Amino acid sequence: KNEVEQSPQNLTAQEGEFITINCSYSVGISALHWLQQHPGGGIVSLFMLSSGKKKHGRLIATINIQEKHSSLHITASHPRDSAVYICAVVYGGSQGNLIFGKGTKLSVKP
Amino acid sequence: DAGITQSPRHKVTETGTPVTLRCHQTENHRYMYWYRQDPGHGLRLIHYSYGVKDTDKGEVSDGYSVSRSKTEDFLLTLESATSSQTSVYFCAMGTRNRGRTGELFFGEGSRLTVL
Repeated sequence: KNEVEQSPQNLTAQEGEFITINCSYSVGISALHWLQQHPGGGIVSLFMLSSGKKKHGRLIATINIQEKHSSLHITASHPRDSAVYICAVVYGGSQGNLIFGKGTKLSVKP
Repeated sequence: DAGITQSPRHKVTETGTPVTLRCHQTENHRYMYWYRQDPGHGLRLIHYSYGVKDTDKGEVSDGYSVSRSKTEDFLLTLESATSSQTSVYFCAMGTRNRGRTGELFFGEGSRLTVL
């Protein structure tokens, strides 16, 4: 069973393109995280959101609780955005109850 | 600004040997987690802690134990390592804001190879 599904699994883009990564989940949640993992690197939290939209620089995250769906958008993509992007949902109100997606591997070509 | 660090970062060991991974935080966060990351899987929770001496099992806890004797340290122990425990292990700490889930901060990861 995959309670958190990300699409696409792999994405190759040209520098400057607008990118969208999707996350769908099947459980009721209290929050959703978007994380970034560079090759061989650690994991960095980009956003934590429970409703609406958040923006940080060229990154925008949206969530639709009724449709159980979230998207991460990258505007004017750059090769340094190349990384794995991971969606994780929090359910049950406890921080022990996190379910992670398998990640979307993004490669941005110059 | 490493408020959370892991050690060792890399370790190669033999089947049957005990291994301890350490996670150290300087932020006084109550919640700490150990995850493993394997190809084809999302991050999977091994154990987590919600306070000193308060721990609970996660999805893949078999073969692992944890201890938290003080707020800043969360130790993960493999009593007798097996090849299936070859993985990259991530420690994380979490915040809460007015009782609701807050941000997550991850360590750099510890790559463990069991031969």
